[in-house]
Amino acid sequence: EADIYQTPRYLVIGTGKKITLECSQTMGHDKMYWYQQDPGMELHLIHYSYGVNSTEKGDLSSESTVSRIRTEHFPLTLESARPSHTSQYLCASSEPGRRNTEAFFGQGTRLTVV
Amino acid sequence: GESVGLHLPTLSVQEGDNSIINCAYSNSASDYFIWYKQESGKGPQFIIDIRSNMDKRQGQRVTVLLNKTVKHLSLQIAATQPGDSAVYFCAEVDNNTGKLIFGQGTTLQVKP
Repeated sequence: EADIYQTPRYLVIGTGKKITLECSQTMGHDKMYWYQQDPGMELHLIHYSYGVNSTEKGDLSSESTVSRIRTEHFPLTLESARPSHTSQYLCASSEPGRRNTEAFFGQGTRLTVV
Repeated sequence: GESVGLHLPTLSVQEGDNSIINCAYSNSASDYFIWYKQESGKGPQFIIDIRSNMDKRQGQRVTVLLNKTVKHLSLQIAATQPGDSAVYFCAEVDNNTGKLIFGQGTTLQVKP
């Protein structure tokens, strides 16, 4: 079992609200990722980070933002939620110091914007 | 951009049979590939990986084959069990950016 945690697991929120999805890992991993996934579909990379104070946008355009102030924490924020943001958001991390290594995933946050 | 894709959206097999799930990739610079299994309501779980200097790697009941000439990899599951039912994704690590890129999944259905 990987030590990477996402909260909340499920979130239903009204349009226009600001939300932050939390992701924490206790493995000391430098690389962290956020993916967006619709049911049964592929994972789309929306943000990633190489380490503290490093954040990059992924391949899928997203209105969300991320921060990486601490190694273990990589929160994702939506300033104004919209129904189009309804999806599952998956956080992952991978080991430092090794170029090719698998990423470990959290359980995901299923977001519904009404 | 570069992408990784799977040939079939759904694969249905009989319990006890072998399963083969295929994946095609387009980034010739990728040198590391991973298969993930995702069960309903969970995040993807690592199954097996392979580096580009290999063409085959075996795990417990699973084998990954890599054909760099045609940019194809496959996941073979021996003696498929009901617990193998899930969505399977192949992924590649972009050699230049280190990004982990996923293809479309294949849903494996195991019939008892």
